[in-house]
Amino acid sequence: GAGVSQSPRYKVTKRGQDVALRCDPISGHVSLYWYRQALGQGPEFLTYFNYEAQQDKSGLPNDRFSAERPEGSISTLTIQRTEQRDSAMYRCASSLAEGQGSFFGQGTRLTVV
Amino acid sequence: GNSVTQMEGPVTLSEEAFLTINCTYTATGYPSLFWYVQYPGEGLQLLLKATKADDKGSNKGFEATYRKETTSFHLEKGSVQVSDSAVYFCALSDRGSTLGRLYFGRGTQLTVWP
Repeated sequence: GAGVSQSPRYKVTKRGQDVALRCDPISGHVSLYWYRQALGQGPEFLTYFNYEAQQDKSGLPNDRFSAERPEGSISTLTIQRTEQRDSAMYRCASSLAEGQGSFFGQGTRLTVV
Repeated sequence: GNSVTQMEGPVTLSEEAFLTINCTYTATGYPSLFWYVQYPGEGLQLLLKATKADDKGSNKGFEATYRKETTSFHLEKGSVQVSDSAVYFCALSDRGSTLGRLYFGRGTQLTVWP
């Protein structure tokens, strides 16, 4: 597609379940980012991929969070043993070149009940 | 470290009023600066950017000038429209940190009344 695509758009899960969030970046964009946005806040960085290499995961809050991008295109953010505090909007972005800004998907709204 | 501070909202204006949303930043390196906009029900969209001091970014009637001396990147529009109602985020990316990683402000909600 022409833009960054994220799925699902909405996810409601029970506490303790694992969830997988998918991001399909703009074709040709080598940089891919995951952000988390709490209500009333700006997005906060989680992790960064350059092609298939995860080059920065300093924003992942704990080891329940992981991400992969095995073929340098689609990425999956996985949250294990979800907790209510994980409820947020999860945003994926891709970029062609540094300094040009990132293009964002519409996000996945995760609610943990 | 890197951070962005935006004026708190919400901001409520009448149509055709002048808009300013203040944004200041701190950065460890040489940042590029951005404004993103989020319309209701939609994702974040890049509105404008500036990559070096004294650059002016502009788009859709919005402007912002990269002021290194005051570490600011204030967003302005001379005459707002109802369709400009959205949340506006100031952001920076710092060449000294992870390539292209964005640091965002908290966002400013703008509502424009007819």
